[in-house]
Amino acid sequence: DAGITQSPRHKVTETGTPVTLRCHQTENHRYMYWYRQDPGHGLRLIHYSYGVKDTDKGEVSDGYSVSRSKTEDFLLTLESATSSQTSVYFCAISPGTPYEQYFGPGTRLTVT
Amino acid sequence: AQSVTQLGSHVSVSEGALVLLRCNYSSSVPPYLFWYVQYPNQGLQLLLKYTSAATLVKGINGFEAEFKKSETSFHLTKPSAHMSDAAEYFCAVSRSGGSYIPTFGRGTSLIVHP
Repeated sequence: DAGITQSPRHKVTETGTPVTLRCHQTENHRYMYWYRQDPGHGLRLIHYSYGVKDTDKGEVSDGYSVSRSKTEDFLLTLESATSSQTSVYFCAISPGTPYEQYFGPGTRLTVT
Repeated sequence: AQSVTQLGSHVSVSEGALVLLRCNYSSSVPPYLFWYVQYPNQGLQLLLKYTSAATLVKGINGFEAEFKKSETSFHLTKPSAHMSDAAEYFCAVSRSGGSYIPTFGRGTSLIVHP
């Protein structure tokens, strides 16, 4: 199994609070991605990174920011959480393009 | 632009029956195609991939898929369903150059009845 961990695995937070999710890999893969998964929508890309300090937006990036200061870590931040951001968040990695992706176990976030 | 359509949000089969999950794609360049499986409360795992070699691709757990360019399809099949195959299945397409970001279908939930 690819070495990908996500933390925390579960989080409950209140509307308006900042939240940071962490993705950590031990594979030294260049690309890292953040997705959210919601019923009826499948997987939707939030942001992705193609190297240290190199990031770009996905299709549902509003309300989210990311940072990648090291190859192994990719952080997703919700600056001010809203109830619409209640979801399951998955991190994925890949060695390059157009290779397959390896997914983390997910973080279940509930915003009350 | 690329996109993926998975026909049927739910597919129900009996144990031992043929499994057929449909995926159609659109891509302006020859695609790379993937099928992933997601078991409850887990992340996605790669089942198989098409990367312009053989058009019939064999994956794990007895699954296979056939790339048909004329039909822009990449349907997933398994001759005989097992109870353990019950899961969510996702088709994804990625270009072979330029934008490398995969696009996922909305997923198909496979239900297996005893």
